[in-house]
Amino acid sequence: SQTIHQWPATLVQPVGSPLSLECTVEGTSNPNLYWYRQAAGRGLQLLFYSVGIGQISSEVPQNLSASRPQDRQFILSSKKLLLSDSGFYLCAWIRYTEAFFGQGTRLTVV
Amino acid sequence: AQSVTQLGSHVSVSEGALVLLRCNYSSSVPPYLFWYVQYPNQGLQLLLKYTSAATLVKGINGFEAEFKKSETSFHLTKPSAHMSDAAEYFCAVSESGGADGLTFGKGTHLIIQP
Repeated sequence: SQTIHQWPATLVQPVGSPLSLECTVEGTSNPNLYWYRQAAGRGLQLLFYSVGIGQISSEVPQNLSASRPQDRQFILSSKKLLLSDSGFYLCAWIRYTEAFFGQGTRLTVV
Repeated sequence: AQSVTQLGSHVSVSEGALVLLRCNYSSSVPPYLFWYVQYPNQGLQLLLKYTSAATLVKGINGFEAEFKKSETSFHLTKPSAHMSDAAEYFCAVSESGGADGLTFGKGTHLIIQP
């Protein structure tokens, strides 16, 4: 069965520090992978998606970047965090009518 | 382009009362539609989905939703609310079902009054 792992679950980082959130998928190959951010009162915003190794599409310009170094690995990064980067980050694998989400990372930038 | 509108950021109902969460969508092609539930600091759990089969879709925890093409709606209902239903609910739409991912509404926070 397909599972999706995301870590860490919570993270408190100072402004200006780097960020790396990791997402891995099991039970499938060549998945379409997505990073969403959930900010208070704003629902889920698509940040990046990837249809294959090294292929990244960005939905909104911002202080974040994403990479797909391996088929089942998707990484969200930042070189210098801003206060506005605080939020709940979700990794997802979506295929046609199926969508699987990680448990999310609560990021607080202080 | 696809979009989703959820009417009401907060909905409050009494325990045992009908739950109705509204969702309207916009899509240029026949859509796939989803309802997800999110408990605090957790990921999203699929409640139900519409994939062009039966227009009345039954999901987990007693929830159901009806796809109405003429109204471009996919409202979520449950006959009798339970305290454990208190959570955030998201409606989502997908046109291609593939690379474009899901477009979510802003969510509705369901409050259950004892």
